[in-house]
Amino acid sequence: GQNIDQPTEMTATEGAIVQINCTYQTSGFNGLFWYQQHAGEAPTFLSYNVLDGLEEKGRFSSFLSRSKGYSYLLLKELQMKDSASYLCAVRAGNTPLVFGKGTRLSVIA
Amino acid sequence: DGGITQSPKYLFRKEGQNVTLSCEQNLNHDAMYWYRQDPGQGLRLIYYSQIVNDFQKGDIAEGYSVSREKKESFPLTVTSAQKNPTAFYLCASSIGGNDNQPQHFGDGTRLSIL
Repeated sequence: GQNIDQPTEMTATEGAIVQINCTYQTSGFNGLFWYQQHAGEAPTFLSYNVLDGLEEKGRFSSFLSRSKGYSYLLLKELQMKDSASYLCAVRAGNTPLVFGKGTRLSVIA
Repeated sequence: DGGITQSPKYLFRKEGQNVTLSCEQNLNHDAMYWYRQDPGQGLRLIYYSQIVNDFQKGDIAEGYSVSREKKESFPLTVTSAQKNPTAFYLCASSIGGNDNQPQHFGDGTRLSIL
């Protein structure tokens, strides 16, 4: 089976930088995804990592270390609209994605 | 515009009743998925289908059934055997079931018991 851990909640200030961590245990690792989900809405795709290193997309970046079973999502220049849940999801082999429980981020003024 | 459409947005079920949640996609995706989301539980996989006329059980399939007669459609039936059906149900699709393309989600159906 797979085990995915994320912090349950985080709070950060508008304009700041926040890092949301995700650790996983799986065999046959085949990629890690980050999704954003606003309350009551559908998750939307943010980023994908399969090789070690940093992937940057505007204000959002995602990092992966396969040897450590670790990823993080970095959000820069936080805005109030970034208040949402952030879901880490791992793919093992050819099986469907397994999602973590999500991290609820609150951005405060 | 291409996308995934779930209906209805809100659904109420009476005791002993089966209800069916609709999911339609016009993205020409081969793979489709059903997830259940409860507060603090994240997304849990109910069923998935990688190709027409074939589907597989996910982690919490008991009390649910699906069909995949057309590529575009993957309806989920919540049967009376599902004793705790109140949840947010999300349908998703991806280009293929064995690649690393992201899953795209519908807007969800919120099911409650009367």
